[in-house]
Amino acid sequence: AQSVTQLDSQVPVFEEAPVELRCNYSSSVSVYLFWYVQYPNQGLQLLLKYLSGSTLVKGINGFEAEFNKSQTSFHLRKPSVHISDTAEYFCAVQAGTALIFGKGTTLSVSS
Amino acid sequence: EPEVTQTPSHQVTQMGQEVILRCVPISNHLYFYWYRQILGQKVEFLVSFYNNEISEKSEIFDDQFSVERPDGSNFTLKIRSTKLEDSAMYFCASTPRGKGTDTQYFGPGTRLTVL
Repeated sequence: AQSVTQLDSQVPVFEEAPVELRCNYSSSVSVYLFWYVQYPNQGLQLLLKYLSGSTLVKGINGFEAEFNKSQTSFHLRKPSVHISDTAEYFCAVQAGTALIFGKGTTLSVSS
Repeated sequence: EPEVTQTPSHQVTQMGQEVILRCVPISNHLYFYWYRQILGQKVEFLVSFYNNEISEKSEIFDDQFSVERPDGSNFTLKIRSTKLEDSAMYFCASTPRGKGTDTQYFGPGTRLTVL
């Protein structure tokens, strides 16, 4: 069965610092991987997705992620965060018609 | 930009009561989904729905749950007899075709509180 593990439940960073949110997946077949963001009191919004091709995927708001098949990872990165990036971030893998989510990582950006 | 909408934003009910959560998917989308998120836990898949039939469901989606597309715009989740453990945020989502490459567009959620 496919699964996702997000290694950090909370990541506090200062504004303009770089950040990496870690995600490892488990799958025996080709994977489609996603990162979603949830701002307070809002729904889930797609940041980026990996379907095939280039292993470096660029998304919205300056985020990018790298698909690493040998390490079964799909870590999310941003070189310089803003206060407005404070949110919950979810990594997910497609399994049939369902998305299987990780537990989420709370990114807290302070000045 | 088209959005998935959900009503109500918050529903409070007594244990044993029936609740219906409503969603309006994006208008040209054909696949619809329900997920839930118990406080402090991960977002969990409940069910996918296409062409007036359940396409896939998780083990959470037992006989207490049902889904329906009563008209051309709404998609509903019914919980027949609510339990305390049904308290959660429920998210509706939709996709154009249901393929793995499609982005699932999520609504803002309905917070269900069972007392």
